[in-house]
Amino acid sequence: GAVVSQHPSRVICKSGTSVKIECRSLDFQATTMFWYRQFPKQSLMLMATSNEGSKATYEQGVEKDKFLINHASLTLSTLTVTSAHPEDSSFYICSARGTSGGMITQYFGPGTRLTVL
Amino acid sequence: GNSVTQMEGPVTLSEEAFLTINCTYTATGYPSLFWYVQYPGEGLQLLLKATKADDKGSNKGFEATYRKETTSFHLEKGSVQVSDSAVYFCALSEAGGTSYGKLTFGQGTILTVHP
Repeated sequence: GAVVSQHPSRVICKSGTSVKIECRSLDFQATTMFWYRQFPKQSLMLMATSNEGSKATYEQGVEKDKFLINHASLTLSTLTVTSAHPEDSSFYICSARGTSGGMITQYFGPGTRLTVL
Repeated sequence: GNSVTQMEGPVTLSEEAFLTINCTYTATGYPSLFWYVQYPGEGLQLLLKATKADDKGSNKGFEATYRKETTSFHLEKGSVQVSDSAVYFCALSEAGGTSYGKLTFGQGTILTVHP
C-alpha cells in the first residue's frame, strides 16, 4: 500500500541553526501535504497545509518565516525550521493526501524528532 | 472552532478485557470522524472512520459509532490483545471545501495491555 516516509527520523542541532525535514509519498501523488507538530503527551497540532506548486497556508499562531514549507513536486514536501531554538524541539509529522488506485487516500509519515540544544 | 476531547489515559488492561475509549467532539457542519492508532516507533495509521451520523466504523475488532445526538465517537473492542498496546487518537475532519483533509485531533490515549 501507499507509504509516506520522513527523513531524518531524528535530528539534534545547535541553537541558531536551520534544519530541513523531508516528507515523501512513495507510491502515490500527494496533491496536499499537511505538517503537524506533536508535543510530549499532547495531541497533534496542525501547523500548515500545502498544495503542490502553491504557497503553504499556515494555521493561526504559526510563524511562516520560521517554519518554511516547500511542496515543489507531487511526491516531496519539505519543512525547514529556521534559526531553531530549544522551544522548537518537538515531534514533527507530515501527512500526504492524494489519489491511489483511483481513491482519495491520506497517510501519515513516521515523524521526525527534533532536539535543539 | 472544532475540537475533540478524549478520555484521559493511560488505560491499562489485561488481555481479553473489554475496551472503551471515549471521544466527544465539537464541530460546525457535519464532520467525518476517525480513530488513528500510533504503535511504538511508527507513524499514525487510520484504524477506522465514519462519515455520517449512525455510521459504524470497524476494523481489527475495533468499532465506533458516529452519534450525532451525543456528538460522540467512542472506540470499543470486546477483547483486547497485547499487540493492541499503542496510542489511540480520535480526530475529525470537516466535510468538503478547503478544509477537507485537515484533521483536528484529540489528545491521545495510551493503552497498555498486559498478558
